[in-house]
Amino acid sequence: AQTVTQSQPEMSVQEAETVTLSCTYDTSESNYYLFWYKQPPSRQMILVIRQEAYKQQNATENRFSVNFQKAAKSFSLKISDSQLGDTAMYFCAFYSAQGGSEKLVFGKGMKLTVNP
Amino acid sequence: GAGVSQSPRYKVAKRGQDVALRCDPISGHVSLFWYQQALGQGPEFLTYFQNEAQLDKSGLPSDRFFAERPEGSVSTLKIQRTQQEDSAVYLCASSFMISRGTEAFFGQGTRLTVV
Repeated sequence: AQTVTQSQPEMSVQEAETVTLSCTYDTSESNYYLFWYKQPPSRQMILVIRQEAYKQQNATENRFSVNFQKAAKSFSLKISDSQLGDTAMYFCAFYSAQGGSEKLVFGKGMKLTVNP
Repeated sequence: GAGVSQSPRYKVAKRGQDVALRCDPISGHVSLFWYQQALGQGPEFLTYFQNEAQLDKSGLPSDRFFAERPEGSVSTLKIQRTQQEDSAVYLCASSFMISRGTEAFFGQGTRLTVV
C-alpha cells in the first residue's frame, strides 16, 4: 500500500522569506503523480502544484516549485517570497491508477504560518 | 455547476441517528472520491467511484458506512447509527481521470458532529 509521510507538523516563516516543506512516500509503482494541496481555514482543498513521476524536470508554478527525487522517494515543496495568504495546511498527496481504478492518498499535513 | 458542491455544510446528529451526506461533482467528471478528515489531520480515504461503479471501498471504517452513486453523478455517503468517533469533516472530490492530466477538485466538505 502507498503511504505518504510529512514529518514536520508545523512551521512558521516571515513574510517574503523562502520555506521548504518536506514529503516522502513509499510505493512499488513506477508510474504515478504527486501533488501538493493547500487547505486554508475555509476547508476548500486547492491544488498548488503537480508532478508526473515520469518527468525528470521539477515542476514550477510561479512562487511554488518542487524538488522531486524519485530514487529517494522525496517530494518537497519550496515557497518563495512567502505571502500572508500562504498561511494554511499543506498536504502532500500520491496518485496512481492501476487496473482501471484510481487511488489518491494524502499525508497528515503541515500547518504553515506566514508572519508579517 | 462551477465546482464540487457538498451538502449540508454542517450537520449535528444525535448518537445513534442515521445521516446522509450529499456530493454534487463537476458535470462530466468520471471519478469521485470520499474522504474523512479528523480535526488537524489529513484526509483519510473512504471510497472511490468510477461513474456508477464503486471500485474501491477499502477505507470505509465499518459496515455502518455506505456510499452510492447510482447514476454516475451525484453521490451520497450514508452513516447509520452514528457514533461520536464519526465526528469529522467529510470531503468529496471529483476528477476526469487524474491520469489523463487533470486534477481532483474538492468540495468544501460537510462537518459532522455527533453528540
